Amino acid sequence: EADIYQTPRYLVIGTGKKITLECSQTMGHDKMYWYQQDPGMELHLIHYSYGVNSTEKGDLSSESTVSRIRTEHFPLTLESARPSHTSQYLCASSENPNRVSPLHFGNGTRLTVT
Amino acid sequence: QKEVEQDPGPLSVPEGAIVSLNCTYSNSAFQYFMWYRQYSRKGPELLMYTYSSGNKEDGRFTAQVDKSSKYISLFIRDSQPSDSATYLCAMSARGTYKYIFGTGTRLKVLA
Repeated sequence: EADIYQTPRYLVIGTGKKITLECSQTMGHDKMYWYQQDPGMELHLIHYSYGVNSTEKGDLSSESTVSRIRTEHFPLTLESARPSHTSQYLCASSENPNRVSPLHFGNGTRLTVT
Repeated sequence: QKEVEQDPGPLSVPEGAIVSLNCTYSNSAFQYFMWYRQYSRKGPELLMYTYSSGNKEDGRFTAQVDKSSKYISLFIRDSQPSDSATYLCAMSARGTYKYIFGTGTRLKVLA
């Protein structure tokens, strides 16, 4: 079973604040992803990483940044939160670096920006 | 037009019914197909993963892929109230980092 942990689970924060959403996995997976999920909408890829020091932006335009200094850790940072950032953020990882393998998800961080 | 179409539901069925959940897609390059179950306030949980065409069975769940029709299905036999959740389909092509998700179908199994 996948072990991927996200903190905090819920966060309410004011406009303009800087926040970091944490994601850690204990499986040694090289590939990690951040998705945004809104009700009734498909998941949108924000960032992904193939491994340490390798990060790319996804399709969804976002004012967020990520880092991958360690294999197990993939934090997402919003420099200045806005109400439009209110959403559910899902972190995921996948096993095989050389072919498509299923994503394993954490339980998400529900962010509300007031 | 979206690459993946999924009926949002909600779909309500009585306990014990056979449930059929479906997705259609437009990209013929998709070869990897996944079904996820997502409970409220949780992350998506992988149910089934199939490669290319054919059927795959796991307990009460059967995943079916018809690449000629660009159509995938998830069947749930003997549905239980605990199956009440949102079901997401996802798919990907060889050599890509992208997974394309459907919008999810909400299922409610009534006791």
